Amino acid sequence: GAGVSQSPRYKVTKRGQDVALRCDPISGHVSLYWYRQALGQGPEFLTYFNYEAQQDKSGLPNDRFSAERPEGSISTLTIQRTEQRDSAMYRCASSLVESTGELFFGEGSRLTVL
Amino acid sequence: AQTVTQSQPEMSVQEAETVTLSCTYDTSESNYYLFWYKQPPSRQMILVIRQEAYKQQNATENRFSVNFQKAAKSFSLKISDSQLGDTAMYFCAFSHGSSNTGKLIFGQGTTLQVKP
Repeated sequence: GAGVSQSPRYKVTKRGQDVALRCDPISGHVSLYWYRQALGQGPEFLTYFNYEAQQDKSGLPNDRFSAERPEGSISTLTIQRTEQRDSAMYRCASSLVESTGELFFGEGSRLTVL
Repeated sequence: AQTVTQSQPEMSVQEAETVTLSCTYDTSESNYYLFWYKQPPSRQMILVIRQEAYKQQNATENRFSVNFQKAAKSFSLKISDSQLGDTAMYFCAFSHGSSNTGKLIFGQGTTLQVKP
């Protein structure tokens, strides 16, 4: 596609529910990143993939968070048993190759946990 | 651990004037990248400019330029001829140069208001 696409744009859920956030990167981009951004703060790294391989998941806050990219394109970030502190903007980004550091961000998925 | 600090939470500038946003960082590495990203009210994240640490020449992109002081670990952004569309939150970011350069460490951001 023309840009990084994320869905849903907005998600409101009740505490304890599971949520899945989807990211469709720019076609041909090798690397895909997930970030989380609290209101008024800079994004924080969660995890990243090269093709289908998860290279680094050091930023995932705990084991309720997981991500996959099974075919090396679309990725899903899953949060199980959501808590209010999980409320944030979740941003996906992709890059053509790993080494440039130039990321193209999606518009984000705003998660609100009630 | 690497850190990125933006000490100016908010700034304002008159249209057509020049403004400089500050950023300092802390690292023990010699090879790394520095970035400025712009987040307008639409909440999109847009790359403004990038600097490789091994390059002494300051990066420039049209009205945007940086002052990269490696010894001082300083990386400021200068916006010349400010336009209303420059109103946004600006984030300074750092990444390792050896691998996984998309793993960015962001500062807290500076909100810039361009006034007509």
